[in-house]
This record gives sequence, structure tokens and C-alpha cells, in this order.
Amino acid sequence: QVQLQESGPGLVIPSETLSLTCTVSGGSISSSSHYWGWIRQAPGKGLEWIGSVYYSGDTFCNPSLKSRVAISLDTSNNQFSLKLSSVTAADTAVYYCARVGTMTGILDSWGQGTLVTVSS
Amino acid sequence: EIVMTQTPLSLSVTPGQPASISCKSSQSLLHSDGRTYLYWYLQKPGQPPQILIYEVFSRFSGVPDRFSGSGSGTDFTLKISRVEAEDVGVYYCMQGIHLPFMYTFGQGTKLEI
Repeated sequence: QVQLQESGPGLVIPSETLSLTCTVSGGSISSSSHYWGWIRQAPGKGLEWIGSVYYSGDTFCNPSLKSRVAISLDTSNNQFSLKLSSVTAADTAVYYCARVGTMTGILDSWGQGTLVTVSS
Repeated sequence: EIVMTQTPLSLSVTPGQPASISCKSSQSLLHSDGRTYLYWYLQKPGQPPQILIYEVFSRFSGVPDRFSGSGSGTDFTLKISRVEAEDVGVYYCMQGIHLPFMYTFGQGTKLEI
């Protein structure tokens, strides 16, 4: 049973870069069967797709965030990461990492989420 | 960008009664490969979302058969035949026709007992 766990600072200063890591256990991020994605949810709001990364290192990002987003793999530690630059209060949200089936598109396993607050 | 619109945004149901949620997409979710990439998720209080239905009507492993999905093109429906207390939460439809590039979610429908 694959498990995902987000980690990173809970508070980020406006204009700085948000950095989160997702640690995967019970499965390999080097598998061609899955993508690895990031989704966020602002307080009391709905879900927003951020982007994903494939085992090859190819990344796919929400066009509305693309200029500020970087997603990468760390295969040696079975982790993948999200960096979101030039953050504002609007980036305050619970950030989830998730596993995505390559052929199905199903987000079938999620981390519990981590709240990131952007504030000075 | 494909916009997903759910109705209603909230639903109060008596246990044992049916419930229905509608989801409309701003463009067809029928892919050239013949599959329709429409999904339903349930986010229970304090938890991440969990997959219920994929490709319009296929129940994910372990999902009770009281959940069913239907629809085609741009109009889709999630039905719960007999609501149980454990079904409370927010239901989201999601489109993935451009996977893995972009997914978009509906606004969510809050189901209360």
C-alpha cells in the first residue's frame, strides 16, 4: 500500500519561495505506471491542480501557475518536490501530493496535506 | 481552460434516501481514444479526497455499489442510491481529458445528513 507524506515549512514570507517535499513509501517514484502530482486547497475553498512530474523528469503544470512552479524528482530518496516562487497571501492553502495513474488519470493515493500560510 | 460546474452546491439528505449531484463541463470530455475522462471524488471532513468513480461510471476498488455515475459528453451525474452517515463530505467532479497536463475540479457539493 503506497503512502505519501508532505513536509516543509508551514509559514512562508510573501515574495519568497514555498518549498515542499513529498516522501513516497510502499512504491517507487521511478515507475512508469504513475505520475506524481501536487494539488492545493485554499481555506474553505475547492481543489486546484498545480502540476505533476513523470519518472522521466518531464513536468506538466497548470498554465495559471506555470511561471512560478517547479516540480522535480529525487529518486535516491523516493521523493518529489514542489517549489512555488513569489508567493502571496493567495497561495495560502493546504498542499496535497498525490499519485496519478499513467493510463487512467486517477489520483488514487493522497498525502494527508500540509497547511502553508503566506504571511509576514 | 475547461470549467466544471456542479449543482447543487449543498445537499441535505435523510439517511436511506437517494442523492444526486450534477456536473457540467464547458467542453466535451470525450477523448479521441474513445474514453471520457470524468471522475468523482469525495473529501470527508479533515481528510484528503478519495476517488469514487472514474471514466464516468466505473467504481474504484472498494467503493460501495450505492454510488453510481452516468452521463456523456458534457453532462454527468453522481447518484447515491441510499445515503449513509459515512457519506457526508464534499463531492467533487474532475476532468482529465488533457491528462497529464491539466486537471480541473468542480466547485464541490457539500452533502450533509
